[in-house]
Amino acid sequence: ETGVTQTPRHLVMGMTNKKSLKCEQHLGHNAMYWYKQSAKKPLELMFVYNFKEQTENNSVPSRFSPECPNSSHLFLHLHTLQPEDSALYLCASSQDREESLFFGPGTRLTVL
Amino acid sequence: RKEVEQDPGPFNVPEGATVAFNCTYSNSASQSFFWYRQDCRKEPKLLMSVYSSGNEDGRFTAQLNRASQYISLLIRDSKLSDSATYLCAVVPFGNEKLTFGTGTRLTIIP
Repeated sequence: ETGVTQTPRHLVMGMTNKKSLKCEQHLGHNAMYWYKQSAKKPLELMFVYNFKEQTENNSVPSRFSPECPNSSHLFLHLHTLQPEDSALYLCASSQDREESLFFGPGTRLTVL
Repeated sequence: RKEVEQDPGPFNVPEGATVAFNCTYSNSASQSFFWYRQDCRKEPKLLMSVYSSGNEDGRFTAQLNRASQYISLLIRDSKLSDSATYLCAVVPFGNEKLTFGTGTRLTIIP
């Protein structure tokens, strides 16, 4: 596999469920990101990991919990989400913080 | 004022025409600028970086105007396959976070 991969591609969950999104990058990059994309809104940065260390938490509610076990893998653990959390969740990676991003295909999440 | 602003469009342009759109940014000391392309129901992909001297790649030309704080994207001889949403992204000075605009939707009409 090449680039940035994400699973699952689609997820429907109830508000009481717990699920996890997975991201893997095969580019040898040092930084990984979670973004949220909602209709008619700009991409919202959620979390940044640089060399496995979380360097940014952009005031994200605690019902979203990231995990970065190594520089190639990134998870987003979800629990007790709200319907307004329905969106496209994009993982991305870059060589350095200010370098251009490579995005994964995203997970389209629907919270019922 | 938003950090990065784009006209959402849609821009409906006949095939073969030239189209241009701008993206304004609020932080005058912003350092890095990019254009991304996002096809319907797909992820954004880097189209091109925008340098102080401008950047050209085939039919696409990106320019930076620091005095007026905007970047532009010009597409010449537009193709049907150019239909997409074009996102600009800026790295504001003092904040390493890449900040995106909402995107400009472009549709090329046969």
